[in-house]
Amino acid sequence: DIVMTQTPLSLSVTPGQPASISCKSSQSLLHSDGKTYLHWYLQKPGQSPQLLIYEVSSRFSGVPDRFSGSGSGTDFTLRISRVEAEDVGVYYCMRGRHPKTFGQGTTLEI
Amino acid sequence: EVQLVESGGGLVQPGGSLRVSCAASGFTFSRYWMTWVRQAPGKGLEWVANIKEDGSTTNYVDSVKGRLTISRDNAKNSLYLQINSLRVEDTAVYYCATDESSGRFVFWGQGVLVTVSS
Repeated sequence: DIVMTQTPLSLSVTPGQPASISCKSSQSLLHSDGKTYLHWYLQKPGQSPQLLIYEVSSRFSGVPDRFSGSGSGTDFTLRISRVEAEDVGVYYCMRGRHPKTFGQGTTLEI
Repeated sequence: EVQLVESGGGLVQPGGSLRVSCAASGFTFSRYWMTWVRQAPGKGLEWVANIKEDGSTTNYVDSVKGRLTISRDNAKNSLYLQINSLRVEDTAVYYCATDESSGRFVFWGQGVLVTVSS
């Protein structure tokens, strides 16, 4: 089974400060088609998850540019350059190929 | 505006069956793979199953194979998840979502709660 491991599981950040979440896959997520099927979601309190970043580093429509993604192969990082109050919630990385697998989630609080 | 509205949840006894539905609007439903994701109370997200645009291909997480069946009716713009032999551990909010290029879930419903308890 493919395992997606996120660290840390929780972090507390002062508004205006940066934050970083790591996601490691037990197998390379680079596909033979050249794409890397790693996506990031944010689930705000009481809401459905929302897509933030797809294919490692592409911001989804409407996502502020303070969010960025990087990485390759098995190691990936989500960065928030300056955390705002509206960024609180649980962040999940996810392998986009079958079997689609989420990380455990990282709770960000202010 | 894209809308996905789940329904059909509720309280069910262990061993029972339930079908949850997802009504889609605001986009051409028949052109999209669709997926179900569930979230047990206080827990993380778990992908459950997805289905191709025309319903000809389905995929499931190993832990639910044989008990859950995903299906769709493109004429009704609807997605379904049939859950049989319900277990307490099936208790979760079930979300439907569009399953798009590179396997990303773009649009999500609000979720429907299924509670399995005696």
